[in-house]
Amino acid sequence: NAGVMQNPRHLVRRRGQEARLRCSPMKGHSHVYWYRQLPEEGLKFMVYLQKENIIDESGMPKERFSAEFPKEGPSILRIQQVVRGDSAAYFCASSPLRDEQFFGPGTRLTVL
Amino acid sequence: GENVEQHPSTLSVQEGDSAVIKCTYSDSASNYFPWYKQELGKRPQLIIDIRSNVGEKKDQRIAVTLNKTAKHFSLHITETQPEDSAVYFCAAGDDKIIFGKGTRLHILP
Repeated sequence: NAGVMQNPRHLVRRRGQEARLRCSPMKGHSHVYWYRQLPEEGLKFMVYLQKENIIDESGMPKERFSAEFPKEGPSILRIQQVVRGDSAAYFCASSPLRDEQFFGPGTRLTVL
Repeated sequence: GENVEQHPSTLSVQEGDSAVIKCTYSDSASNYFPWYKQELGKRPQLIIDIRSNVGEKKDQRIAVTLNKTAKHFSLHITETQPEDSAVYFCAAGDDKIIFGKGTRLHILP
């Protein structure tokens, strides 16, 4: 059973471009979470999704950020018109029901 | 909103000694309290968790205690080893978990 997969592992974008981060949960896991981590800081909750549903997006910035978890395919975190402050590591985690979350390797976004 | 406070932010202990990290949480509906270890440049890894129907749980050198009345929980690592050096995060919640800001643990030779 492969672990949580994220791609790309590293992403470089110029200001104003779009960033798309993908997360494939572990097999059998229907819950996906996205977190942002700035250097030397903790994990900040962004959004919690189940298949085709956003359950809690209270940690998502109101503008430019969106997330989806379609019936087929990976979960996508989309950042439009990126700014330098978006540079961070973005982790997704998946869980089979609730509680225990397994993290992916993260995508490190650098905005030039 | 929900909040998890974690202390200390940095902790240095001599190899072989014990390390204790403490957390408090604000949401009384929290039922799940995991602890994660993150090494530099790597993903957070679950090391132990506790649910609100138990007060203490132990796994070899690691133990967690939970006091729901006081809304605090703690991680104890005994007989520390160099490979225990990492950042440790506590978290609390239910469907959604909120992380503390982390404790950087240094094991001194």
